[in-house]
Formats: sequence, structure tokens, C-alpha cells
Amino acid sequence: GENVEQHPSTLSVQEGDSAVIKCTYSDSASNYFPWYKQELGKRPQLIIDIRSNVGEKKDQRIAVTLNKTAKHFSLHITETQPEDSAVYFCAASIGNTDKLIFGTGTRLQVFP
Amino acid sequence: NAGVTQTPKFQVLKTGQSMTLQCAQDMNHNSMYWYRQDPGMGLRLIYYSASEGTTDKGEVPNGYNVSRLNKREFSLRLESAAPSQTSVYFCASSEGAGTYYEQYFGPGTRLTVT
Repeated sequence: GENVEQHPSTLSVQEGDSAVIKCTYSDSASNYFPWYKQELGKRPQLIIDIRSNVGEKKDQRIAVTLNKTAKHFSLHITETQPEDSAVYFCAASIGNTDKLIFGTGTRLQVFP
Repeated sequence: NAGVTQTPKFQVLKTGQSMTLQCAQDMNHNSMYWYRQDPGMGLRLIYYSASEGTTDKGEVPNGYNVSRLNKREFSLRLESAAPSQTSVYFCASSEGAGTYYEQYFGPGTRLTVT
């Protein structure tokens, strides 16, 4: 079945450094790749997404890159701040549907 | 707009008891979802509904039933709760298959089965 692998499971960085989280997916028909941020005890919230016809998308300090050939996509956070500390989930659509398969999450800690 | 709402926020059940988790959205979305979240396992889809009157199984449907009562409401029922169903349950909604896929999540229900 469809699968999304996410690495690393935990990531600690110093404030101001960059953070990179990587995901691979198995369904070659996937065409939508969102990233969600979940703060402790809260609901997941979308921070950025990318569709299969785009290789890169940027929103201020956050960027996502997609390599469809390798079935690989990544989240890049620059100039990290303590408020970036949270769990981040990648996901991939199941084919051309609006159902998602989620990765297992990355706990990011940004130390002041 | 309240977005996606869920009740209850917390629930403790004994093994074998039944309960229904309620979810409602006021964004006129077509698609609704139920997920469970367990430590280290991310979000796993339990059931999905593309429109009123239709439901489809997700990755982990065993032990659950759902009902899409109308466009706004999507409920999840545990007929005979088991300790393995201890989890945090999230409901979500999205506009539906097409050009826009963002899923909006509810605040979650923390369920403990003893």
C-alpha cells in the first residue's frame, strides 16, 4: 500500500540555524504534498503545500522542494526561532484524491 | 466561523462500552475525515466521506463505524471499546477533490479505554 517515510524523527537546532526535514513517498500517482505543524496539545495546521507540477515553493522562512522522479520532498526552515518548536508532519495524496497518507512526524526543538 | 468542532474533548471508557464522537464543520466542505493519532505513528485515516451519504474505509477502520448525517456532520462510533483504541481522535474537512485540498482539523478528542 501507499507509504510515506519521514526523517529525522527528532531535530534540535540553535536559534537562527536552518532545519531540513525529508520525506519519501511510494505512490507515483500522488500529486499533492502538504506539511502540517502541530504544537503541543493542539491540532495540526497547514504551513505550506506543493503540487506535483511545481518543483519548489517558498513562503517567507519556509520552503518546500519536490523531486517527483526520486519521489522525495523536503521542508526547509531558515532562521529558526523558538516558536518554530513543534512536531512537523509531511503527507502525500493517495493518487489524485483528497485522502492523505501522513509521515510519522519530526519533533523540532529550537534552542535560544 | 467556528471551523471544525468536536465533542467531547476528553472521554474515559471501560472496555466493552460504546460511544459516539461528534464532528461538525461550518465551511460548506464536501469531504470529511476521521484520524487517530498515536505516539510515533503520525495521523492514520480511519474513515473518509467524500459527500453526504457516502463513506469509505481508510487505513485503520476495524472497530469503528461512521455516519455522514448531512453535509455538516460526520460522527465516529466505537461499538465495543478496546484498550487499543486509546488515542487522540481528530476530525478534519476539506473542500473536496478538485483544485484545493487543504484539510482543516478539529481540536481533537482524547480517548482513554481502561
